[in-house]
Amino acid sequence: DAMVIQNPRYQVTQFGKPVTLSCSQTLNHNVMYWYQQKSSQAPKLLFHYYDKDFNNEADTPDNFQSRRPNTSFCFLDIRSPGLGDAAMYLCATSRATGGGPNEQFFGPGTRLTVL
Amino acid sequence: GQNIDQPTEMTATEGAIVQINCTYQTSGFNGLFWYQQHAGEAPTFLSYNVLDGLEEKGRFSSFLSRSKGYSYLLLKELQMKDSASYLCAVMDSNYQLIWGAGTKLIIKP
Repeated sequence: DAMVIQNPRYQVTQFGKPVTLSCSQTLNHNVMYWYQQKSSQAPKLLFHYYDKDFNNEADTPDNFQSRRPNTSFCFLDIRSPGLGDAAMYLCATSRATGGGPNEQFFGPGTRLTVL
Repeated sequence: GQNIDQPTEMTATEGAIVQINCTYQTSGFNGLFWYQQHAGEAPTFLSYNVLDGLEEKGRFSSFLSRSKGYSYLLLKELQMKDSASYLCAVMDSNYQLIWGAGTKLIIKP
């Protein structure tokens, strides 16, 4: 089955210790997104890639970086996690970014705990 | 600013019908999405509306009125597994998805 996979599902890190979350997709979609979602809140878009073109949201902290080495994989690097970065991190894909029913397909998420 | 409003929480009875409302104010409009999200899981796509009117998909229907900036999700014959959060999201003029905080739906036997 075509899908979006995220690893790990649960990640525990120490305050200030870098962490990398990974996402892979077998849908062959052009666009990959990273969202941060805290409890009972809307998903917050951090950045997205259209193919290799990187698009950073204006309010995404510099502490968050991303890499997309190829179509299938995308990584979220948190350089110095703070307690406020504890959240669910969702990876999503879509065929394109234009109009039409370009629904986003989500991975299962990685729940990050910062100690 | 851009804004999506949905009720925080709703309660309904198994077998009944429930309507979850969403109002939006966005810079431009390129469609409205409804997603279902079970606790601790990722959102899954339910429906897409870009023209006014009702879209029906099994037990779920979604309605849109662009002039009123309003949508609703209608769930019929509620089942316990429908207990989840329902997120409304609007695609703005830049094709960015603006998300609501979601409506937590509690189904009681």
